[in-house]
Amino acid sequence: QVQLQESGPGLVKPSETLSLTCTVSGGSVSTRSYYWNWIRQPPGKGLEWIAFMYYSGGTNCNPSLKSRVTMSVDASKNQFSLTLTSVTAADTAVYYCARGDILAVAGRGAFDIWGQGTMVTVSS
Amino acid sequence: DVVMTQSPLSLPVTLGQPASISCRSSQSLVHSDGNTYLNWFQQRPGQSPRRLIYKVSNRDSGVPDRFSGSGSGTEFTLKISRVEAEDVGVYYCMQGTHWPWTFGQGTMVEIK
Repeated sequence: QVQLQESGPGLVKPSETLSLTCTVSGGSVSTRSYYWNWIRQPPGKGLEWIAFMYYSGGTNCNPSLKSRVTMSVDASKNQFSLTLTSVTAADTAVYYCARGDILAVAGRGAFDIWGQGTMVTVSS
Repeated sequence: DVVMTQSPLSLPVTLGQPASISCRSSQSLVHSDGNTYLNWFQQRPGQSPRRLIYKVSNRDSGVPDRFSGSGSGTEFTLKISRVEAEDVGVYYCMQGTHWPWTFGQGTMVEIK
């Protein structure tokens, strides 16, 4: 059974760079069938999709964050990562990694497996 | 961005009674490929979201059949035929048709 686990710093200073990693267990990140996503949830608020990436390199991200977001996949570690630059207090949130299900089966945005989430606070 | 508007935002329900959540999109969710990419997620207190429904009406394996999704175009509905205690949580609709993918604000289902 595939499981996802986020890891990250917990606390980041304003204007610095946030780096998060999602470790995939029970399956391979280097699959052509699924795609990998980051989604966040500010405290007490709703969900915001950040970006996705295929192992093959295809990627897309939310235009509201596009200039600050980078995703990457590391097959050797079975992980994928998110980098968010120039963070502000507005980036304080629980960050989730999630697997996007097979497009031909479940369609677009059908995240079938989620990590537990990691809380990131932006504060000096 | 496509705005997803859910109603109600809070839904107190008596155990065993039905519940219905509406989700409206600011644009049609019919994709150029003919599919409608509208998904529903459940987030129980203190947990990660969990997918319930994909492509409007396809229920995930393991999801009780008291949950059903319907709708078309810009109007969609999630129904719970008989609410159970384990259904407490926040429900989100999410569209995958247009970039960027967007979620509704969430509807909190609670027991009266």
